[in-house]
Amino acid sequence: AQKITQTQPGMFVQEKEAVTLDCTYDTSDPSYGLFWYKQPSSGEMIFLIYQGSYDQQNATEGRYSLNFQKARKSANLVISASQLGDSAMYFCAMREVNTGTASKLTFGTGTRLQVTL
Amino acid sequence: EAGVTQFPSHSVIEKGQTVTLRCDPISGHDNLYWYRRVMGKEIKFLLHFVKESKQDESGMPNNRFLAERTGGTYSTLKVQPAELEDSGVYFCASSSQNTAKNIQYFGAGTRLSVL
Repeated sequence: AQKITQTQPGMFVQEKEAVTLDCTYDTSDPSYGLFWYKQPSSGEMIFLIYQGSYDQQNATEGRYSLNFQKARKSANLVISASQLGDSAMYFCAMREVNTGTASKLTFGTGTRLQVTL
Repeated sequence: EAGVTQFPSHSVIEKGQTVTLRCDPISGHDNLYWYRRVMGKEIKFLLHFVKESKQDESGMPNNRFLAERTGGTYSTLKVQPAELEDSGVYFCASSSQNTAKNIQYFGAGTRLSVL
């Protein structure tokens, strides 16, 4: 069964610094997708970044990058130059492709990030 | 383009009552998903529609939960009768059928409080 583990319930980072949010996963499917979502206090879940298991390069989207280490089964999110607006809950999620590319996501418990001045 | 919208944003009901949650997906998205987050726990999958058909309902907790998507547009999730353990945030997401990444876009959720 697939499982996502986020071991950091809360993190603090100073404005303009970089921060890494950890995510490890477990799956027996060789083909899968990894996602990160941000949930600010407004409640909406905002898609940030996607990494496919066969992608050769780490995904990047603006200030977000995904440090994908397949052998270690980790998919850490790196936020560079943190801003106050980055304060939110962050969820790592995975989709196994063997049940179809439109199949369900499995989520971790989330990491609450607080950006300080 | 409008995102996924959910109504109501918050619902407070008494145990034994009925509540209906609504989700309007992004226009043109064939896939619609329901998820739930109980306090302090991870977000868990409930079910998946492709157009009006239930593709996967393996996450539905019991027969007190009924989801529909008539016409393949908006969806409703009815809880009848509600129990205390049904409290949590119910999220809806939608995705297009036509992309390899198949990004699921979420709404802001409905916070359900059963007293």
